[in-house]
Amino acid sequence: AQSVAQPEDQVNVAEGNPLTVKCTYSVSGNPYLFWYVQYPNRGLQFLLKYITGDNLVKGSYGFEAEFNKSQTSFHLKKPSALVSDSALYFCAVRDSSNTGKLIFGQGTTLQVKP
Amino acid sequence: DTGVSQDPRHKITKRGQNVTFRCDPISEHNRLYWYRQTLGQGPEFLTYFQNEAQLEKSRLLSDRFSAERPKGSFSTLEIQRTEQGDSAMYLCASSPRGRNTEAFFGQGTRLTVV
Repeated sequence: AQSVAQPEDQVNVAEGNPLTVKCTYSVSGNPYLFWYVQYPNRGLQFLLKYITGDNLVKGSYGFEAEFNKSQTSFHLKKPSALVSDSALYFCAVRDSSNTGKLIFGQGTTLQVKP
Repeated sequence: DTGVSQDPRHKITKRGQNVTFRCDPISEHNRLYWYRQTLGQGPEFLTYFQNEAQLEKSRLLSDRFSAERPKGSFSTLEIQRTEQGDSAMYLCASSPRGRNTEAFFGQGTRLTVV
């Protein structure tokens, strides 16, 4: 069965410092991986995806993610955090069926302090 | 705004009542999904439509839940005889055809059953 794990419930970082939000996955076959962000009482906003190709994927708002096949990880990163980056972040993997449905991790709250 | 639209944003209902939510996907998207998100958890897949056909339903979707997508445009999700455990955020997402595409989410309908 496919699954996604986000081992940290919360990540705290000071503004201007680099941030990393961790994600590991378990899939059969090639993974299609996604990161979404959710602000309070809002839906999910797409940040970036890995389908194939370069292991370093660049996305919206200065975020990037590194795909590591040997470690089955897809960590989200940003070189310099902003207070406005504080939100709930979800890693997801596309199900192997043809539906395109997503399997989400439980989410990581990012808190960026001034 | 050409994003995914959901209505209502909030719904408070008494236990035992029926509720219906509406989702208007991005117009050229043929795939439509419903997810449910409870506090502290990632979204969980409920059901999937390709055009007007409902092609997959999760085991989470009890007999009290029904979804439709007439004419392959908007979709409705109905919950009959609501229970307190149905309290959650209900998210709709749509995506175009293709395996490399990402899903776009609406802002969700927050249901509270009292």
